[in-house]
Amino acid sequence: GAVVSQHPSRVICKSGTSVKIECRSLDFQATTMFWYRQFPKKSLMLMATSNEGSKATYEQGVEKDKFLINHASLTLSTLTVTSAHPEDSSFYICSVLYSYGYEQYFGPGTRLTVT
Amino acid sequence: TQLLEQSPQFLSIQEGENLTVYCNSSSVFSSLQWYRQEPGEGPVLLVTVVTGGEVKKLKRLTFQFGDARKDSSLHITAAQPGDTGLYLCAGAFPGGGADGLTFGKGTHLIIQP
Repeated sequence: GAVVSQHPSRVICKSGTSVKIECRSLDFQATTMFWYRQFPKKSLMLMATSNEGSKATYEQGVEKDKFLINHASLTLSTLTVTSAHPEDSSFYICSVLYSYGYEQYFGPGTRLTVT
Repeated sequence: TQLLEQSPQFLSIQEGENLTVYCNSSSVFSSLQWYRQEPGEGPVLLVTVVTGGEVKKLKRLTFQFGDARKDSSLHITAAQPGDTGLYLCAGAFPGGGADGLTFGKGTHLIIQP
């Protein structure tokens, strides 16, 4: 499988500021990565598909101008939450599509708290 | 929108008992994954099933994929407190592997000593 890291693991920011979350594929060149969010006691919801060298594909209801995704290399995708509000507080998880199979391997997640 | 029904959502049993978690859809999966997630961590892949009727075993965990590839089950034998966690099924539907997974709502499993 693939080893995936995320940074930071936790972040607290003030309402109105922007926060960048990094997702790195440490041992696999990932053409495709995904971003999910998860609320407490809930399952994962796909936010967007991040494709290296092209624009991300967003799921219905996810604002592309609020959640900026950049996948500039085969090992790094970033998610920037712009003008964060308390309702954006959530657990954000990225994953890597492991092209040798159908599997996705997940990062450890980033806990975002907006005050 | 593809939907995955996972049941039960909550299950609390005694150590040593057996349990089964179910995952169903009205659509055909191209593949289905089972994950286990601990609080505050990302999901960890347990198994991937691709072929209808496939059965895979991982120690005390047995995974089955339905013949029609619309359903799957996870059976745990002689559950232990270390099995406690959130179990998620996630399906990839025909359309290419470059699609994000659709997750079931998850099964919160508690194994009491």
